[in-house]
Amino acid sequence: EDQVTQSPEALRLQEGESSSLNCSYTVSGLRGLFWYRQDPGKGPEFLFTLYSAGEEKEKERLKATLTKKESFLHITAPKPEDSATYLCAFTNTGNQFYFGTGTSLTVIP
Amino acid sequence: ETGVTQTPRHLVMGMTNKKSLKCEQHLGHNAMYWYKQSAKKPLELMFVYSLEERVENNSVPSRFSPECPNSSHLFLHLHTLQPEDSALYLCASSQETTYNEQFFGPGTRLTVL
Repeated sequence: EDQVTQSPEALRLQEGESSSLNCSYTVSGLRGLFWYRQDPGKGPEFLFTLYSAGEEKEKERLKATLTKKESFLHITAPKPEDSATYLCAFTNTGNQFYFGTGTSLTVIP
Repeated sequence: ETGVTQTPRHLVMGMTNKKSLKCEQHLGHNAMYWYKQSAKKPLELMFVYSLEERVENNSVPSRFSPECPNSSHLFLHLHTLQPEDSALYLCASSQETTYNEQFFGPGTRLTVL
């Protein structure tokens, strides 16, 4: 059964303290894995798409990586404005979408 | 306006009311989606439309009725809802249903009394 699990559920970091969020997935045929950022009361904002193991993408302080079983969102020297919920999702060869429950990140000044 | 817009942003309704949620995308996309987001749960895909044809309906109760009059507009008609239907309802669009990135609207916060 295709599924996605994100950990940790919540993460508190000091400003400048780098860390990683984990997205573990099980899928019969992966078409793409996505990362989104969601601020309270708003819709998710697209960040990255990864298609194959070994692929990496970067945007400012964020870097997403992909293996055959998991994806990581690395946050380097985070700032308070990086506080949000980060969602992982994937689509399979059957065109089904699966979202994780997210990691709530709080960056303390 | 650009991107994906949703109205209203907040809605409070009684269990016997009938209301509609509206979504409009200004991205030239061909696919549109309705999601339900409840606290501590993953986004639940409700409906998918591709080129105005419904391509997916994930066992959603009949008290939710979607309508897609054209590729830029999507509605969700609500009637005789239950308190457990209270949630954030999100609309999204993508270039194609097989295209990967979905772009979301700000959502409608629905409260059913």
